[in-house]
Amino acid sequence: NAGVTQTPKFQVLKTGQSMTLQCAQDMNHEYMSWYRQDPGMGLRLIHYSVGAGITDQGEVPNGYNVSRSTTEDFPLRLLSAAPSQTSVYFCASSSSGYSNQPQHFGDGTRLSIL
Amino acid sequence: DQQVKQNSPSLSVQEGRISILNCDYTNSMFDYFLWYKKYPAEGPTFLISISSIKDKNEDGRFTVFLNKSAKHLSLHIVPSQPGDSAVYFCAANTNAGKSTFGDGTTLTVKP
Repeated sequence: NAGVTQTPKFQVLKTGQSMTLQCAQDMNHEYMSWYRQDPGMGLRLIHYSVGAGITDQGEVPNGYNVSRSTTEDFPLRLLSAAPSQTSVYFCASSSSGYSNQPQHFGDGTRLSIL
Repeated sequence: DQQVKQNSPSLSVQEGRISILNCDYTNSMFDYFLWYKKYPAEGPTFLISISSIKDKNEDGRFTVFLNKSAKHLSLHIVPSQPGDSAVYFCAANTNAGKSTFGDGTTLTVKP
């Protein structure tokens, strides 16, 4: 059982470039989310989705876009990369958005913006 | 303003002893609290949770205590094992499905 799969694991970009971080889950989970983790800090919510076709902003959405065309996939797009977006990005899923549901995380994408 | 705080960045304990990790929160609307464990180069994994209407939840060596009046929760690990060495995140959920995480506490269990 793969769980939550993130690709790529590592990426280096130049300022101004765009890219898409991929996230896929095979657990038929309705709720998916993207977080970023900066050194010494916790995870901050970027965007989330409660089901296919439905997305909403989290705490730090600026500079990122998401879409959810299928239950399985939830890609995160960086529109024009900036050094401040250097971080580790985690995708997560849970069976629903109810507060008692734990999230299942991927292993992260380590992104460096030069 | 940080709504979930883990004031101890690190904790070191001897194998076999108790580890106590603390977490404070400010938002009374949180209705579920979860602890996640994270090893290097991996994503966080769920450990244990507690509802805001409970004051204790136990799962094997792990117990979470909630003091709602003090807006404080703690994770107890007894006995601590070297494999417990990891970063522990406290997370608080609202019924809208959003999670707010603390900054984490790095636990080191010495053999």
